[in-house]
Amino acid sequence: NAGVTQTPKFQVLKTGQSMTLQCAQDMNHEYMSWYRQDPGMGLRLIHYSVGAGITDQGEVPNGYNVSRSTTEDFPLRLLSAAPSQTSVYFCATRTVNTEAFFGQGTRLTVV
Amino acid sequence: KQEVTQIPAALSVPEGENLVLNCSFTDSAIYNLQWFRQDPGKGLTSLLLIQSSQREQTSGRLNASLDKSSGRSTLYIAASQPGDSATYLCAVDPYNQGGKLIFGQGTELSVKP
Repeated sequence: NAGVTQTPKFQVLKTGQSMTLQCAQDMNHEYMSWYRQDPGMGLRLIHYSVGAGITDQGEVPNGYNVSRSTTEDFPLRLLSAAPSQTSVYFCATRTVNTEAFFGQGTRLTVV
Repeated sequence: KQEVTQIPAALSVPEGENLVLNCSFTDSAIYNLQWFRQDPGKGLTSLLLIQSSQREQTSGRLNASLDKSSGRSTLYIAASQPGDSATYLCAVDPYNQGGKLIFGQGTELSVKP
């Protein structure tokens, strides 16, 4: 039982490049979310999903895209990386009215 | 709009002290409140979840309380240890928000030997 798995753990991108951050869970949770964490800004919600085929925008969605074709996977796509997207990204999962489980994070640097 | 505030932002205590971390929220329409711990460079680990109908939850040396009407929660840590040093975050699960959690900014705790 791996819980929530994020890949990669570290990534360096050049401005303008695109990439996909992977999040996979094996707990059959309906809810999945992506957050970014920046010093002094706390955790900010990027996109979230309440089930396969359903996604919605969070607080800071611009520059990011998501899809949810299966219960298990919730990839986050950076369309054209910018230095402002340098951050630590966390994926979280949970089911209705229960505790949330977080992945170990992806540390992204855009140069 | 739901807002969550944690005070203080940082706290330093000597080993063995009992301490209280505070979390306040502006809208009492929540399903639950959750406390997390985050170690440097790591993800968040769930400590306690309190349902809106509950007043408190306990796990080992940790006790979390919830007063929904006043919009407050506290995390009490008994007999603190250096291994408790971490950032502690609280998050609320608001009604009708599609499962979005709203986080406070966290309290960075340092327990000195």
